[in-house]
Order: sequence, then structure tokens, then C-alpha cells
Amino acid sequence: QLQLQESGPGLVKPSETLSLTCAVSGGSISSSAYYWGWIRQPPGKGLEWIGSMSYSGSTYYNKSLKSRVTISLDMSKNQFSLKVTSVTAADTAIYYCARRMDGSGSYPDHWGQGTLVTVSS
Amino acid sequence: SYELTQPPSVSVSPGQTASITCSGDKLGNNKYTSWYQQRPGQSPVLVIYQDKKRPSGIPERFSGSSSGNTATLTVSGTQAMDEADYYCQAWDSSSDVVFGGGTKLTVL
Repeated sequence: QLQLQESGPGLVKPSETLSLTCAVSGGSISSSAYYWGWIRQPPGKGLEWIGSMSYSGSTYYNKSLKSRVTISLDMSKNQFSLKVTSVTAADTAIYYCARRMDGSGSYPDHWGQGTLVTVSS
Repeated sequence: SYELTQPPSVSVSPGQTASITCSGDKLGNNKYTSWYQQRPGQSPVLVIYQDKKRPSGIPERFSGSSSGNTATLTVSGTQAMDEADYYCQAWDSSSDVVFGGGTKLTVL
């Protein structure tokens, strides 16, 4: 059974870079059938898709975050990562990693449990 | 960019039927909708995908439909455990994954 697990610092200072990793078990991120992505949820608010990346290197980024976000895959470790630069308090959120299928009608079918990242000095 | 619109809240009495709507361009016509349930403090759980399909383990009281730019999640015989936030989701070629703003279902 596919499992995803986020990890990374729970506290990041303003203007610094937020870095998270998602370890995948029970399946390979090298499959061409899937995209691997990140979602965040500020406290008390809704879900926001950050972006996703495929094995082939194809990427999608949320237009509102595109200039600050990078998603990358590490096939040797079967994990993928998220970096968000120049963070502010508005980036405080629970961050989830997820898998979605390639193609029209795609939806995130497996999610991690989420990790809270707080931006504060 | 692509947008999905949901009502902020829906209330239902135990045992009754709750309907949550999601509106967006081309829903039900070339664009599929999925639905997620999120209980407090938990990760979202997929309850409906591709408009009307239920993942294994999801109770039959959850059903979905979509036509005329509106998708609907229906919870029949609503139970107290169904009280949660529900998010609709669609995929758009220019926006990638898009979520609605979420609907809080209250079982009174």
C-alpha cells in the first residue's frame, strides 16, 4: 500500500527558505503514470494546491506561488521535495504531499498525514 | 485561472439527505469532479472521484453527480460522523489541481 510521509523543520524564520521532503513507500516515484505534488492548508482555511512534478520532469506550479516554489524528485531515495523561498507569516500552514494520476480528470488519490510549518522569528 | 465555488456551509438533520454543490466551468462536460472529506485534525480523504465513483471503503451513502457546470455530493442517511469539511476538486490543463473553497457540513 502506498504511503507518503512529510518531514522538515516545523519553524522557519521570515525571509528564509522552507524545505520539506516527502518519503514514498509501497510504490515508485519513477512511474510515468503519476505526478507528485504538494498542497497546503493555512490554519482554519481551505486547501491550496502548490504544484506537482512528474518523473519526466514536467511541472505545474500554482501561478500565485510560482516565483518562489521549486519541486524536485530524487529517484535514488524515492522521495520528492518542496522549497519555498522568501517566506512570510502567510506561508504558515499544514503542508501535505500527495500523488495524482497523469491525465485529464486527475485527482490526488494518496496523501501524507501533513506537517505544520510555522513562519515566525 | 480555473475556479470552483462551494457554499460555505450546509446543515442537515441526522438521517436526512445532505447535498453539497460545486460550480465551475465545464463540470459534467469534459471535466471531472472529485470530493474530499476532512474531519478536524485529519488529512483529507477521497470519497468520490470522476464525478460518481466511490473508492473502496467509502460507505454507499456517499454519492456524486455532475451536469450543467455543477457537481453535487449527496450524503444519504447522514450520520453524526459525517460532520466534516468537504472539498470539491477538478483538474485543469492550465491550473493543475484546483480545489473549491470547502463546505462545512453540520449535522444538527
